[in-house]
Amino acid sequence: RKEVEQDPGPFNVPEGATVAFNCTYSNSASQSFFWYRQDCRKEPKLLMSVYSSGNEDGRFTAQLNRASQYISLLIRDSKLSDSATYLCVVNYRTGGFKTIFGAGTRLFVKA
Amino acid sequence: DAGVTQSPTHLIKTRGQHVTLRCSPISGHKSVSWYQQVLGQGPQFIFQYYEKEERGRGNFPDRFSARQFPNYSSELNVNALLLGDSALYLCASSYDRTTNEKLFFGSGTQLSVL
Repeated sequence: RKEVEQDPGPFNVPEGATVAFNCTYSNSASQSFFWYRQDCRKEPKLLMSVYSSGNEDGRFTAQLNRASQYISLLIRDSKLSDSATYLCVVNYRTGGFKTIFGAGTRLFVKA
Repeated sequence: DAGVTQSPTHLIKTRGQHVTLRCSPISGHKSVSWYQQVLGQGPQFIFQYYEKEERGRGNFPDRFSARQFPNYSSELNVNALLLGDSALYLCASSYDRTTNEKLFFGSGTQLSVL
């Protein structure tokens, strides 16, 4: 089983749609959680941190459920510019520090 | 301010050779981590260094090694290259010491092993 799992998609949605991604992680000792965005042939960029209390940044909302070990990202009012791969990231310390990326979920927003 | 810089941008090597990749973090960042990304996959964690000490290591063979210098720049070394080492190698810097939060990535080194 992969340490961090994401639905690879692709998700094809029209402009203005609401889309949600989920990510599950296997290590219950995981300490911090993030969503990154990666455009084609570019480096990943931090989108937002994820907290149990939820985190909202404009059209983006991230949520952590520690009991079920999953992380979610909700994008409202999708824009063409939201088209990208969304990477779920989990940090944990087990005999040393590790940062684990999911394989990513591809999103295409169409006019 | 300059972001994370990596060199070279592209590299072609043959099997069995050795390669050294370089990374300069954002000014003020003392943590550097390295990742390998193959097409269609997320970045895979290789190493994290903070204040010249290794703080974390991913599931990579001993052919992979790294170090961090007093100015916080870093090198990733790969010995005895295999075809499967062909990938994009990403370096990221962070201000945080222990949590690797808020990573800032360089644009990567594309390594091709023939």
